[in-house]
Amino acid sequence: AQKITQTQPGMFVQEKEAVTLDCTYDTSDPSYGLFWYKQPSSGEMIFLIYQGSYDQQNATEGRYSLNFQKARKSANLVISASQLGDSAMYFCAMREGLIQGAQKLVFGQGTRLTINP
Amino acid sequence: EAGVTQFPSHSVIEKGQTVTLRCDPISGHDNLYWYRRVMGKEIKFLLHFVKESKQDESGMPNNRFLAERTGGTYSTLKVQPAELEDSGVYFCASSPYRTTGAFLAEAFFGQGTRLTVV
Repeated sequence: AQKITQTQPGMFVQEKEAVTLDCTYDTSDPSYGLFWYKQPSSGEMIFLIYQGSYDQQNATEGRYSLNFQKARKSANLVISASQLGDSAMYFCAMREGLIQGAQKLVFGQGTRLTINP
Repeated sequence: EAGVTQFPSHSVIEKGQTVTLRCDPISGHDNLYWYRRVMGKEIKFLLHFVKESKQDESGMPNNRFLAERTGGTYSTLKVQPAELEDSGVYFCASSPYRTTGAFLAEAFFGQGTRLTVV
């Protein structure tokens, strides 16, 4: 069965420091996609970054990068130069299969990140 | 362009009552998904529509939950009768359906409806 594990319920980081949020996954499907979403206090889920299982390079989006270690089944999110606005819940999620339109996601329990000034 | 819209944003109802949640996806998105986060637990998939058809409803917890998407536009999720364990945040998400080329990776989520059953 698919599973996503986020082992850090909460993290506190000083502003401008880099932060790594851990995510490990378990699947028997060779084709899958990994996502990170941010949920600020306002409630909406904001897509941050995506990594496909066949992608050769780690995904990057601005200050966000995904440290994809396929053999270890980990997909950690790295936020460089953290900002106060980065304080939020962060969810790692996985989609099995790469069928177009199939977006059934399995989520981890989330990590609450707090950036201190 | 408007995002995924859900309402109400909050709902407090008594056990045994009926509640209907609504989701308006992004215009043109054929895929619509419902997810739920019960307090302290992970977000869980409920079901997936492609246009008006239910593609996957394997996550629906029981027959007290009924989802519809008439006309392939907005969707409703009805809980009847509501139980205490139904409390949580219900998310809707949508994504376009592509038949050629690179597919869109992400689904766009609404702000969720916080349901409290007392």
